[in-house]
Amino acid sequence: GAGVSQSPSNKVTEKGKDVELRCDPISGHTALYWYRQSLGQGLEFLIYFQGNSAPDKSGLPSDRFSAERTGGSVSTLTIQRTQQEDSAVYLCASSLVAGGPRNEQFFGPGTRLTVL
Amino acid sequence: QKEVEQDPGPLSVPEGAIVSLNCTYSNSAFQYFMWYRQYSRKGPELLMYTYSSGNKEDGRFTAQVDKSSKYISLFIRDSQPSDSATYLCAMNKGGSYIPTFGRGTSLIVHP
Repeated sequence: GAGVSQSPSNKVTEKGKDVELRCDPISGHTALYWYRQSLGQGLEFLIYFQGNSAPDKSGLPSDRFSAERTGGSVSTLTIQRTQQEDSAVYLCASSLVAGGPRNEQFFGPGTRLTVL
Repeated sequence: QKEVEQDPGPLSVPEGAIVSLNCTYSNSAFQYFMWYRQYSRKGPELLMYTYSSGNKEDGRFTAQVDKSSKYISLFIRDSQPSDSATYLCAMNKGGSYIPTFGRGTSLIVHP
């Protein structure tokens, strides 16, 4: 079946512009995660959605970052007034349930964001 | 100091070699340990999952956890060029659904 998809695959923007990154999780997966991966760095957790519960936003680096998940499916990560340090690969993952640690996450291919 | 430390490499080995990839961690609350493989320009994929100390084997891959030393390893036997990728360790605290990832080790297996 279809995996996690993300769009766009690449995004080049100018400093100060807003960007929207999209994630389509695997159908039926209730949990959705956003991560950021900078060059040579591990995955940095940004935000986590589980069903209809309030999202865990503890990883968002500043109030320029926000995310929403509509209808328990598609999610959009928005970065306002982008800065050069926002340049990174933004990865989305989904898992079937989050009812325990054995919640295998399936990752999308990522969106490579470059802020000039 | 990061909670999870992983040498970024690169680690270059000849085909057929046994590869050892390692992570150390500082928080004894970590209970669940994972290894992900990430090919270039792709998202990570789960390779191995272990709980608590001990070994787990899956084909050419063996995951080992030593909680007393706060040290985990992934061994790859008979390494192949197709194993060339970045390997990330990740670990969860009990009751947490958000794993902490290492930086990843870049592995190159040359023919």
